[in-house]
Amino acid sequence: DAKTTQPTSMDCAEGRAANLPCNHSTISGNEYVYWYRQIHSQGPQYIIHGLKNNETNEMASLIITEDRKSSTLILPHATLRDTAVYYCIQPSGAGSYQLTFGKGTKLSVIP
Amino acid sequence: GAGVSQSPRYKVAKRGQDVALRCDPISGHVSLFWYQQALGQGPEFLTYFQNEAQLDKSGLPSDRFFAERPEGSVSTLKIQRTQQEDSAVYLCASSLETLRTEAFFGQGTRLTVV
Repeated sequence: DAKTTQPTSMDCAEGRAANLPCNHSTISGNEYVYWYRQIHSQGPQYIIHGLKNNETNEMASLIITEDRKSSTLILPHATLRDTAVYYCIQPSGAGSYQLTFGKGTKLSVIP
Repeated sequence: GAGVSQSPRYKVAKRGQDVALRCDPISGHVSLFWYQQALGQGPEFLTYFQNEAQLDKSGLPSDRFFAERPEGSVSTLKIQRTQQEDSAVYLCASSLETLRTEAFFGQGTRLTVV
């Protein structure tokens, strides 16, 4: 079972920031949080990951709370192509290699 | 190509037929993963290879499922005596090292068992 919880769906207006929350209250000190997304009929795509510091790359920003029990993925200027299911994941398995996807958040970007 | 390639993209099999699904990972990627995605669900882990060694096959749903990666590059997922419940998209992913680096997924093979 997924160790994270996310809202089932969200809407965002095109050009606005999309803020996708995730709860991971059972996370331990050395476990990373990963975000992937899956656009319809495609394989999942890596977005970003973090441990305890906020992270930013060309796709998104990841804000992790100080207690590490939750995080928020921010897409700063959402476009129609950002419509997808977004998964917040704590890898499991002995080498932290196993991704447990859960149901994710269906983000719909509205024109 | 530069990405993970899977073939075929679509496969229709009659119940009881054997199928083989191929994955060409990104060149030089050590880790290779197979996932199964049922309609409307997130992908579920099947198995993990590090080079040619299958280190985890805990997600394989039955002994009808078999995966191999004999030379540490191309991998094949074989399903024997297919059943209707095997209908799903089968996704392959590779990563440079363990999953502390990003994993790259292929587009998947959609298997329909009729």
